[in-house]
Amino acid sequence: EAQVTQNPRYLITVTGKKLTVTCSQNMNHEYMSWYRQDPGLGLRQIYYSMNVEVTDKGDVPEGYKVSRKEKRNFPLILESPSPNQTSLYFCASSLQGALPSKTQYFGPGTRLLVL
Amino acid sequence: QKEVEQNSGPLSVPEGAIASLNCTYSDRVSQSFFWYRQYSGKSPELIMSIYSNGDKEDGRFTAQLNKASQYVSLLIRDSQPSDSATYLCAVNGLGTYKYIFGTGTRLKVLA
Repeated sequence: EAQVTQNPRYLITVTGKKLTVTCSQNMNHEYMSWYRQDPGLGLRQIYYSMNVEVTDKGDVPEGYKVSRKEKRNFPLILESPSPNQTSLYFCASSLQGALPSKTQYFGPGTRLLVL
Repeated sequence: QKEVEQNSGPLSVPEGAIASLNCTYSDRVSQSFFWYRQYSGKSPELIMSIYSNGDKEDGRFTAQLNKASQYVSLLIRDSQPSDSATYLCAVNGLGTYKYIFGTGTRLKVLA
């Protein structure tokens, strides 16, 4: 089954404790992206990756890191989480990122609470 | 000015009616436009994509794009209670890999 998986689905942590949210896709997609969703602010793009070892900042990259060492995986790293990073996070992938009619497939989301 | 704007709603329509959802964007070089449906607590799901001026139809859904006026709309014909969700408009710029989403319009279809 074609899918994007994220782990963990729910996470409660404390300020400053490094964490990683994993994202994996089994569709051989080149493009992967991370978003956060907050009430009243909608979905905002954090980072995206056009292919292995190629990443770039979205609109809200501060406080986040990413890496793309393998095509299928795109982890999101919070080196020192703060309460303002409490949010719902989505990973997404698509075959190619900059072509028309590209379909982004979203993972199920990770709900993060930073105390 | 927000780059992609949507009315937050809720937009309430009776079952069987046409629901009309609108989205305006500020960047004139925007190339591709998308409508996603998101049920409460779930991830967004692509409904329609459009990148040429005019209408694009897919079943009960029609996307309309007017680049001169910088708006894109989604019409849902014969609305069903199962269409009740938040609809997100997203825009992708020419030759870029960045996506800008609107904050979404909540649609309620009343049985």
